[in-house]
Amino acid sequence: LAKTTQPISMDSYEGQEVNITCSHNNIATNDYITWYQQFPSQGPRFIIQGYKTKVTNEVASLFIPADRKSSTLSLPRVSLSDTAVYYCLVGDMRDNDMRFGAGTRLTVKP
Amino acid sequence: ETGVTQTPRHLVMGMTNKKSLKCEQHLGHNAMYWYKQSAKKPLELMFVYSLEERVENNSVPSRFSPECPNSSHLFLHLHTLQPEDSALYLCASSQSTGGQGVQDTQYFGPGTRLTVL
Repeated sequence: LAKTTQPISMDSYEGQEVNITCSHNNIATNDYITWYQQFPSQGPRFIIQGYKTKVTNEVASLFIPADRKSSTLSLPRVSLSDTAVYYCLVGDMRDNDMRFGAGTRLTVKP
Repeated sequence: ETGVTQTPRHLVMGMTNKKSLKCEQHLGHNAMYWYKQSAKKPLELMFVYSLEERVENNSVPSRFSPECPNSSHLFLHLHTLQPEDSALYLCASSQSTGGQGVQDTQYFGPGTRLTVL
């Protein structure tokens, strides 16, 4: 049973804000939510991690509602170089269900 | 540069060959991982090592044999592979395997692109 669900793909244009939502209905009380970015033929790269409410860093923001059954990665003013696959993960590596899923393939167009 | 290096970057081998992939992390981490990424498929976690001890083996065929001689080095020994084993093999490390729902950030190497003929 998949622990997270994300859209398979999204398209956007340069300069727009992109929001990618991940569903995790069975999130455990202690689970954190982590997002990674992967460019073709490279390993994933950590973007952001959060537990509740809102987290912001120099790259993105992560919004987590009170029930924590979903989370939204927000990328402000995307550029062509933000074209990548974005993965949402829940929990820790000791959890057998914590895996990279199919991710969301974001394509940014000029 | 993530602090995780992998060699070789590309490898072509026949089904009867024996080869090894090497991963080295310069981050002082205690956990290391092998992932397989086939074309248009999700990342598949193959092996997890914590403090040089294998803590997870996700039903990986025995033709893949991991070795972790110390916390900085991880090998994946390959023998009698099949063409369907052609993929990008990624190594990652993290401070620990995490716990209580918190995931330590994983740092990935550039990967080894493996082609089995």
